[in-house]
Amino acid sequence: KQEVTQIPAALSVPEGENLVLNCSFTDSAIYNLQWFRQDPGKGLTSLLLIQSSQREQTSGRLNASLDKSSGRSTLYIAASQPGDSATYLCAPRPGSNDYKLSFGAGTTVTVRA
Amino acid sequence: ETGVTQSPTHLIKTRGQQVTLRCSSQSGHNTVSWYQQALGQGPQFIFQYYREEENGRGNFPPRFSGLQFPNYSSELNVNALELDDSALYLCASSWTANYGYTFGSGTRLTVV
Repeated sequence: KQEVTQIPAALSVPEGENLVLNCSFTDSAIYNLQWFRQDPGKGLTSLLLIQSSQREQTSGRLNASLDKSSGRSTLYIAASQPGDSATYLCAPRPGSNDYKLSFGAGTTVTVRA
Repeated sequence: ETGVTQSPTHLIKTRGQQVTLRCSSQSGHNTVSWYQQALGQGPQFIFQYYREEENGRGNFPPRFSGLQFPNYSSELNVNALELDDSALYLCASSWTANYGYTFGSGTRLTVV
């Protein structure tokens, strides 16, 4: 069974600071990994999808790295803004024919203006 | 692309009742999954449907059931509601493994 851990559980930073969010998973045999953002009481918004063959993926101020062998992924958010305040979740996917995503509890980020 | 839409947004039910939640998948997505998210926790996988057949299930009792229709819409049915069923229910659809999942905005179910 895939176990996902996200550290830290919560993070509060001043605006402009760079954010580093960590995700670890116990089963390294993954097909890909997806990072999501969730605003309070809302659904999940996909941020980045990184395939198991990739080392990193970038979109604007966001960059996700993947070290499959060690079961780790990191999400970097550059020059944080108050609008980045949300909970961030990572979800590894076991295989191309296995659609189940496993989630940790996420990292709740607060960016202070 | 229209995205994934869920209805209703909020729902209050009494313990023992039955509820049906609905989801309209993104056009062209033949896979739909349902997740339950309790407050302060990550989403938990309930089950998935591929081309109208259930092909994966998480650790949820049989009173959680579902359907997927040819027009890509889907339903989650929960019988004999319990207080612990109070949660945010999320629907997610996918086209192929390479494209990841698109989630809806969820249905907040409160059981009293």
